[in-house]
Amino acid sequence: QLQLQESGPGLVKPSETLSLTCTVSGGSITSSSYFWGWIRQPPGKGLEWLGNVYYSGGTYYNPSLKSRVTISVDSSKNQFSLRLTSVTAGDTAVYYCARQSEINYWFDPWGQGTLVTVSS
Amino acid sequence: QSALTQPASVSGSPGQSITISCSGTSSDVGDYNHVSWYQQHPGKAPKLIIFDVSNRPSGVSHRFSGSKSVTTASLTISGLQPEDEADYFCSSYTGTTTLVVFGGGTKLTVL
Repeated sequence: QLQLQESGPGLVKPSETLSLTCTVSGGSITSSSYFWGWIRQPPGKGLEWLGNVYYSGGTYYNPSLKSRVTISVDSSKNQFSLRLTSVTAGDTAVYYCARQSEINYWFDPWGQGTLVTVSS
Repeated sequence: QSALTQPASVSGSPGQSITISCSGTSSDVGDYNHVSWYQQHPGKAPKLIIFDVSNRPSGVSHRFSGSKSVTTASLTISGLQPEDEADYFCSSYTGTTTLVVFGGGTKLTVL
């Protein structure tokens, strides 16, 4: 059964860089027909797609964040990562990683999510 | 790309049916059949319950069904059960580099 698990600091200072890693288990990140994506959810609010990466390294990013976000993949570790630069309090959210279908664009499964708070 | 529009809340009694709408545009919901629905219980990750407008993943109850008319997708839950109380989000493929947009979410209360 495929499982995803986010890891990284739960507290980041304003103007610094948020870095998270998603570890995939129970399957290979090199599986064709899937992207590997990041989605976030500010407390009490809706979901926002941040971007995704294909196992070959190709990426798509949400244009609203494109200048600040980088998603990369490490196939040897079965992991993919998120970097978000110049964070502000508005970036405080639960960050989820998920597998995304390249054909149907659904997300499944999701990681349990990790809360990242931006505060000094 | 703007978020899809969902009602903030809906409610129903056990055994009843409810429908949650998801309004998009001709650039997303209206142009593609890649509409998905997710169920999220408090403190939990979202769970895929409908994909491609009306398809259920294996293991999802037949009480959940989806449909679409022009630029509005809908999720119907029949025979409401207490465990259906959760937040529900829709999403749609956009055909642009934004790829997908989500709705703002609907809180379902089972009275």
